[in-house]
Formats: sequence, structure tokens, C-alpha cells
Amino acid sequence: KAGVTQTPRYLIKTRGQQVTLSCSPISGHRSVSWYQQTPGQGLQFLFEYFSETQRNKGNFPGRFSGRQFSNSRSEMNVSTLELGDSALYLCASSLVLGSAQDTQYFGPGTRLTVL
Amino acid sequence: GNSVTQMEGPVTLSEEAFLTINCTYTATGYPSLFWYVQYPGEGLQLLLKATKADDKGSNKGFEATYRKETTSFHLEKGSVQVSDSAVYFCALRTGGGADGLTFGKGTHLIIQP
Repeated sequence: KAGVTQTPRYLIKTRGQQVTLSCSPISGHRSVSWYQQTPGQGLQFLFEYFSETQRNKGNFPGRFSGRQFSNSRSEMNVSTLELGDSALYLCASSLVLGSAQDTQYFGPGTRLTVL
Repeated sequence: GNSVTQMEGPVTLSEEAFLTINCTYTATGYPSLFWYVQYPGEGLQLLLKATKADDKGSNKGFEATYRKETTSFHLEKGSVQVSDSAVYFCALRTGGGADGLTFGKGTHLIIQP
């Protein structure tokens, strides 16, 4: 079974631009979560989608948004980019929504650099 | 809120040495506990997990036991290899999972031949 895929793997943008990242979950997985990884803050939860609806959200500004499609694929959007948005963005998929016991499987990430 | 504390390293060991990476946590509610590993340039891979007290997770020679009384989930391996060099993350998620996974800062492990 194919794993979680993310595109693109690398992005370079300038301040003020907006960016869209894509994630395809493992086949049969219906929940998709997004995380930001930076050297300073470590790994932080952004949001979780299930059945095309955002179900849970971390402590990030409204510039960070996302959506999920009927095939469970998800996109994440960051508007008005700031230098501090430079990070590795990781997508994770799991079978069910919000379960402590369910395992989240991660993709390889998208490395975003904001200049 | 939830939090995870682990040594950040780098931790440098010789091949075939015994490994322990400490992980302690605080959680509101009853968490499940996880260890993930990240190799250079890659995403996170699940190494092992435990979902209730006294459970032992194991995989690829690594083990960790869920200790509720000491709120700990220490990672151990009896004999490390150069290929184990990576960053290891301890994480938890509580029932309902509204906050997603909460991660420690990660421990950079370097194994020398």
C-alpha cells in the first residue's frame, strides 16, 4: 500500500505571497492532519480534517487554512507569507478522527522557504 | 495542557552500545504514547506505541514501556547500529485528540562505528 504523499517537496516563496501544499493520504484513511516543524518551535499541530470538514485546530493564525476533498486528499494554504513561516510542513493520515489510539502515518513533508 | 519532555542531545554512542532516551509527559486525560523516528531529509516514521499503562511497545529491537506512575515512556535498545542514527521524537495524544499529537523537541542520536 502506498504511503502518504506530499507535493511539492520543496518551495521557495517571497514575503507576502501565498502558497498551497498538497497531501494524499494512505488509501482508506479518512483523517488528514497537518503539522509545522521548525528548529525553534519543534513539531506543532496545525489542524485535522475528516469528511471534508476541519475538526480540530491548533494555535495558528487565520493565515493558515486548509481543505479536504471527497477522496480524502487535502490541501493546506498559507496566505501573506512571513519569514517565520519557513518550515517543514508534514501531513499525516489516519483511519479515524481524533482517536488517541489510532496511529498517524506521516508523509515526507514539504520544505517551504520564505525569502 | 499536554507536554512532552525529552533530552535533546546530540547523544553520541559507539556501535553495539546500550541506548536509553528518556521521555516524560504531562497530560490532561489518559494519553496514548508514541515514538517516531526521523531520518535526514525524510518525514516521521512510527517506531512503536503503547495505548495503556504497563503496555510495552517494541519494534526493530527498540522497546518502551508505558509507566503511568512515573509518567514516562523511555526508549531503549540493547545494541545500537550506525543505521540507527536519526532524530527520535516522543509524542502523546489524549482521548478525543482535539490537539493532535504533542511532540517532544526530539533527540538527535549519532552512532559511531
